[in-house]
Amino acid sequence: GDSVTQMEGPVTLSEEAFLTINCTYTATGYPSLFWYVQYPGEGLQLLLKATKADDKGSNKGFEATYRKETTSFHLEKGSVQVSDSAVYFCALSDEGSGNTPLVFGKGTRLSVIA
Amino acid sequence: KAGVTQTPRYLIKTRGQQVTLSCSPISGHRSVSWYQQTPGQGLQFLFEYFSETQRNKGNFPGRFSGRQFSNSRSEMNVSTLELGDSALYLCASSIKAGGPSYEQYFGPGTRLTVT
Repeated sequence: GDSVTQMEGPVTLSEEAFLTINCTYTATGYPSLFWYVQYPGEGLQLLLKATKADDKGSNKGFEATYRKETTSFHLEKGSVQVSDSAVYFCALSDEGSGNTPLVFGKGTRLSVIA
Repeated sequence: KAGVTQTPRYLIKTRGQQVTLSCSPISGHRSVSWYQQTPGQGLQFLFEYFSETQRNKGNFPGRFSGRQFSNSRSEMNVSTLELGDSALYLCASSIKAGGPSYEQYFGPGTRLTVT
């Protein structure tokens, strides 16, 4: 079945550091890819998405590029802030295989210190 | 536009009891999905409803059930609660089910504790 693997956390960075959170996927169809963020005590918020190969999703300084050849969708940000501290989830939706519900990775907790 | 709302936000139940959780989607959204989030298993899909019909179902026992009403509001029910059902239950809505622009918007969740 479809699956998402993302790097284990927690990740601790200093403010203004560069962030990369790795995400790779396995899918039978041609999935859409997403990054969601969960702040403490809250539900998930859609951060960015990409629906086809080489698409780049971006939002709030975060970026991720859909790489079909490496089945990856790594999340990056050039300069993190304390307010970026949260748990980040990579996810896919594989409508091509008839499997539209989101399949999530385990999540990566990011802590940014001033 | 108001977001996805879930009630109640917190719930404490005893083993063997049953519970009903409610979700009101974003206005105009016709698809509602439910997910269970636990530290051990992460986020797992429970079921999805679209226009009052269950469209997809995850790999959960029959104790977990749901329904959707004509106004798109949804409820999920868990009967004969077990300690392992303690989790954050998240509801997500989308305009339609599937499609190239499929996006789900999540509510804040209901934290269920089973003692």
